[in-house]
Order: sequence, then structure tokens, then C-alpha cells
Amino acid sequence: DTGVSQNPRHKITKRGQNVTFRCDPISEHNRLYWYRQTLGQGPEFLTYFQNEAQLEKSRLLSDRFSAERPKGSFSTLEIQRTEQGDSAMYLCASSLVGGQTGYEQYFGPGTRLTVT
Amino acid sequence: AQSVSQHNHHVILSEAASLELGCNYSYGGTVNLFWYVQYPGQHLQLLLKYFSGDPLVKGIKGFEAEFIKSKFSFNLRKPSVQWSDTAEYFCAVNSGGGADGLTFGKGTHLIIQP
Repeated sequence: DTGVSQNPRHKITKRGQNVTFRCDPISEHNRLYWYRQTLGQGPEFLTYFQNEAQLEKSRLLSDRFSAERPKGSFSTLEIQRTEQGDSAMYLCASSLVGGQTGYEQYFGPGTRLTVT
Repeated sequence: AQSVSQHNHHVILSEAASLELGCNYSYGGTVNLFWYVQYPGQHLQLLLKYFSGDPLVKGIKGFEAEFIKSKFSFNLRKPSVQWSDTAEYFCAVNSGGGADGLTFGKGTHLIIQP
């Protein structure tokens, strides 16, 4: 499968712990996005990268959230000092900007976080 | 700021019925519009998109949508639904060149009864 992959698929953690999620985009895609989805809601945009540059981070939910894409390939999303309200599905998407795909975002399967 | 409103959160139809799912957006500038679908147990995938040109766009699996700028709407339609269309449908919008983060509606859960 050459689509967007995310690891882990499920994460259970205790309140106050730090967690890190990984996203591997489609290999030639230069943009990578992170979203959060809670039950009964659509995905909520958090941040995105053009290669290794983070172009938007004001939508990150708090300063406990951070994301990196150090080499312009995979990305990590870290949540520090998790709270129960952080329980959600975290989605990653990628796109090829400048290509012929019309900027369609391809989504991964998500990482489901449960904070106990 | 952009926002997207989907009017129907749950829709139940019989096979062969016609479908129309409403989507309205709030944004004063140039927008790009999308419909995504999530089948049970699967990833979000793109059904169709509008960037410019013909306001009636056709997507995969017989779906189409019409952009009506004066109504800020982008409703999704299908003339005859199938049981396999059971899924969650999301309308989304972004601005500018179409490569920014998407703003999604809350989604419509569609159930097709055989």
C-alpha cells in the first residue's frame, strides 16, 4: 500500500504523559497536514508543512501540541502533558502542490488516542 | 474565518432513491470546495472538488455537486443510491490556491436500506 500511513493506529495513555504520533506521506508529496477529529465532528485542521517548513501553526490547539517534519518526508505530532480532552482521532493527509492532481489531500487511517 | 454547515446529520434512504446532501459555507473570498466520503472502516477519500469553471462537477461513483455562488452552497447529489453508498459524507472548503488546510462540516451519516 503506497498511501499515507500513520503509526501507531491506537494509543492509550494516562493523563499527564507525552505522546508522539508518526505520519508517512505518499512519497512524492510535498505538503503534509495534521487534523484532529472528535466524535460527531468533521476533521479540524491543526497545522501543515511544505517540505520541512511549517507554514501554519496558529491552529494548533495549545502550546502542548507541536509538530515537526525534519527532512521533508515523515512528520511527527507530539502532545505533551496529555489531558482527557485530547482523546480523539488524529489524521494526517498529504498532497502534491504544483502537480496535476488539483491539490487533493490524501488521508491516512488515523491514530486514535485515548487518554485515561 | 471559514465555516461549513451541513444541514442533515443523519439521512436514511432506500436503494434507488435520489440523494441530495446540503452544504453551505461562510467565506467572502475565493473558495475551493470538496466533498469527502468515509466508508465504514476506511480512510477519508475525495468524491469530487470544485476549483473554478463549470459549477456542476462530477465525481466518482456517480456523484455530482453544484456550486451556487449566490447561495454559498455546494450540494451533493446522486440520482439513484446503492446500499454501498452507506457512509459518512463531509463537505470541506479552503481558500486561495487550494493547497491550504481544509475546513470541514460536521458530516452527514447516510444509511441506505436495501
